Amino acid sequence: GQQVMQIPQYQHVQEGEDFTTYCNSSTTLSNIQWYKQRPGGHPVFLIQLVKSGEVKKQKRLTFQFGEAKKNSSLHITATQTTDVGTYFCAGSLSGGYQKVTFGIGTKLQVIP
Amino acid sequence: DTEVTQTPKHLVMGMTNKKSLKCEQHMGHRAMYWYKQKAKKPPELMFVYSYEKLSINESVPSRFSPECPNSSLLNLHLHALQPEDSALYLCASRTPTGANYGYTFGSGTRLTVV
Repeated sequence: GQQVMQIPQYQHVQEGEDFTTYCNSSTTLSNIQWYKQRPGGHPVFLIQLVKSGEVKKQKRLTFQFGEAKKNSSLHITATQTTDVGTYFCAGSLSGGYQKVTFGIGTKLQVIP
Repeated sequence: DTEVTQTPKHLVMGMTNKKSLKCEQHMGHRAMYWYKQKAKKPPELMFVYSYEKLSINESVPSRFSPECPNSSLLNLHLHALQPEDSALYLCASRTPTGANYGYTFGSGTRLTVV
């Protein structure tokens, strides 16, 4: 079945440092979504990438979708304590909008 | 209204009990989902309803029984659960075509089976 690998599983950074998490799929994806889950909270949708090579920015967050639509990354510039949480990627197979496969998540700790 | 509301927020039940989890959304989304999330794990898909019809059952044991009474409501009926079923149960919704939008998740029901 479809697998979405995500690394690293954990990342500790000093406040102000940058952070990146990577997702890699075994199959070509139709789209990839990114979610943030704060400790004790629920996943919150951040963004969806659909096009090959797409890059989108949300303030300090930059999202990329690979040319082959098999990998994606989320980069946070100058982390803040409010960035703490687990970041999940979630990929949909080509043509399948109903079901996504979540990566294992990257838990980000920001040291003030 | 851009929320998915889940009740109850916490539930403790015995292995012989019958209980139900409820989920409601008024965003006009026609696809609704149940996910199960264990600690330090990603959400795991259980069921998908599209236009009030069950379209995906991820081989979930029959002690979990979903129901979609109308386009705004989704229930999960629980019966004879096991302690290993303790988890956060998340409801989510989205537009079926999903062109630009991801899931909107509810805040979840934290279930403990004793």
